[in-house]
Amino acid sequence: GAGVSQSPRYKVAKRGQDVALRCDPISGHVSLFWYQQALGQGPEFLTYFQNEAQLDKSGLPSDRFFAERPEGSVSTLKIQRTQQEDSAVYLCASSLEGQGGAGPSPAREKLFFGSGTQLSVL
Amino acid sequence: AQKVTQAQTEISVVEKEDVTLDCVYETRDTTYYLFWYKQPPSGELVFLIRRNSFDEQNEISGRYSWNFQKSTSSFNFTITASQVVDSAVYFCALSEVGRYGGATNKLIFGTGTLLAVQP
Repeated sequence: GAGVSQSPRYKVAKRGQDVALRCDPISGHVSLFWYQQALGQGPEFLTYFQNEAQLDKSGLPSDRFFAERPEGSVSTLKIQRTQQEDSAVYLCASSLEGQGGAGPSPAREKLFFGSGTQLSVL
Repeated sequence: AQKVTQAQTEISVVEKEDVTLDCVYETRDTTYYLFWYKQPPSGELVFLIRRNSFDEQNEISGRYSWNFQKSTSSFNFTITASQVVDSAVYFCALSEVGRYGGATNKLIFGTGTLLAVQP
């Protein structure tokens, strides 16, 4: 696609429900990131994929958060037993290349963000 | 620990005024990358610039300019002759250097500055 696509755009969940947020990166992009943006704050890193491999999940706030990218393209962020503190905008971003051996490349490493999924947990 | 501070929460200017958005960062790394992103009301973050820590040259792109001063750990962003379309939240961010010298893109963001440009 032309850009990073995220769905749904808005999600309302009752506390305790499980939710799944989808990210379609730009076609051919190797790297995929998830960020969480609380109201009035800057985005915070959650996790990083290079193709289907989840290379960094250090930002996931608890074991209720799980992300996957089984075929190296579409990614899903799943939150189990949602809590009110999970309410935030979840942003997905992709870049053409990961940390490649060819050296730094601003063009290949440039991150493209989606418009996010706004999750409200009641 | 790494940290990015954007002390200005909101700035309001009238069209055609110049405006500077401040960014101060903290890191123990000797090499790193700095970024500015724009977040319009639609929500997606739009990349504006990336600088590496060993290049302190200031940069100008049209009405935008950036002043990187390693001595004061600052990376300020100036918009000259602001326009209504510049209204957005602007984020400064910091990234470690990865194994091969590129940015990890595991970004540390500031809290953002909301810029409102009035006609």
